Amino acid sequence: GAVVSQHPSWVICKSGTSVKIECRSLDFQATTMFWYRQFPKQSLMLMATSNEGSKATYEQGVEKDKFLINHASLTLSTLTVTSAHPEDSSFYICSATTGEGEAIVSNQPQHFGDGTRLSIL
Amino acid sequence: AQSVTQPDIHITVSEGASLELRCNYSYGATPYLFWYVQSPGQGLQLLLKYFSGDTLVQGIKGFEAEFKRSQSSFNLRKPSVHWSDAAEYFCAVGAGNTDKLIFGTGTRLQVFP
Repeated sequence: GAVVSQHPSWVICKSGTSVKIECRSLDFQATTMFWYRQFPKQSLMLMATSNEGSKATYEQGVEKDKFLINHASLTLSTLTVTSAHPEDSSFYICSATTGEGEAIVSNQPQHFGDGTRLSIL
Repeated sequence: AQSVTQPDIHITVSEGASLELRCNYSYGATPYLFWYVQSPGQGLQLLLKYFSGDTLVQGIKGFEAEFKRSQSSFNLRKPSVHWSDAAEYFCAVGAGNTDKLIFGTGTRLQVFP
């Protein structure tokens, strides 16, 4: 159980285009979803937290207009990288949980997708 | 603010040898502690977690970790490493009143036959 599917797994596109990445919880309803960015051989950097039906909460330094997050249902969140440039190339990982707030870290852990490798030419 | 330090960037062991990956955290109260494993090009899989109670925690794939408050550590151990254990390992800490995990920089494990 607790499967999170991320699509696409790999995308290459031209500079200036927008790219949408989907994160789906397949067998549970995800109250909260997280989006992370991971640079090569580095740790995960939290970009934003999204709750179904409300605006995402972005971490300091993350451009809201650049990285659009939509959590339209309890099983789907999308991250759109708008007007992507080579510096946006990275590995993007989503996670989903049934918890909210402290419950997420206390007893309802995050389940991670397999990530999306984004390459901007 | 809470933080996590994984002192070892890269560890190499022989198959069948024992393994210990170090993790130190910084947080004023009792933290929630996690170990995740990431295979190349994939997401993270939860190995084990500590919330309270017994300080020795058993996880999947034969891993265990011990919470030592006096040393602010949560080291991951395995008695006998298999070649399939080669991966990146991340320690993470979560704190009360928050829904966020703070990840360490990771330790890359290589296993030689």
